[in-house]
Amino acid sequence: EPEVTQTPSHQVTQMGQEVILRCVPISNHLYFYWYRQILGQKVEFLVSFYNNEISEKSEIFDDQFSVERPDGSNFTLKIRSTKLEDSAMYFCASSEGWTSGYSGANVLTFGAGSRLTVL
Amino acid sequence: QQQVKQSPQSLIVQKGGISIINCAYENTAFDYFPWYQQFPGKGPALLIAIRPDVSEKKEGRFTISFNKSAKQFSLHIMDSQPGDSATYFCAASAEETSGSRLTFGEGTQLTVNP
Repeated sequence: EPEVTQTPSHQVTQMGQEVILRCVPISNHLYFYWYRQILGQKVEFLVSFYNNEISEKSEIFDDQFSVERPDGSNFTLKIRSTKLEDSAMYFCASSEGWTSGYSGANVLTFGAGSRLTVL
Repeated sequence: QQQVKQSPQSLIVQKGGISIINCAYENTAFDYFPWYQQFPGKGPALLIAIRPDVSEKKEGRFTISFNKSAKQFSLHIMDSQPGDSATYFCAASAEETSGSRLTFGEGTQLTVNP
């Protein structure tokens, strides 16, 4: 079964450092997402990306965050200057688009996540 | 108004029992309600989903009940098994207005005892 692959699985960094989290979405998917989950809290939407541009972002996704699809397979999340409160599990997801299943829903497939620890 | 409230936070059920997890939402623009299952070390995986044009959807042992007027929906797991032990998240999105941005509930840690 196709899956979304994320690297690294765990990254430890010092506050103020730049971090890049990488994702390989499912190959025929067109929509890409980043979500995060702070330990013990709910999964939160960060950003969605389609046709090489951000289609939607949350209030969490401030100027410290950026996303990029540098080639045909990778989708990255960059945090420019990490803060302690950026410590979380970051999930990448992708979707094919609106399908006939679930009455035409846009079904997301999530990766296993990248745990970011900021010291 | 974007929140989705989920309860209980944790649930312990005996094998063969029924697990029930509840969610409530406020945003009437929400039109897609999926449930995700997450095992330790894995990302959330879609389990079952419903749209507000039906009041119930069943797939195997999993059933979603949906009450549009009360703005509530619930997941029922019949004949619960130890392999069902996981964290369950309800979610909602307003696909007409904000694509597929999912708003998640807080999650329910389900433990099914053998």
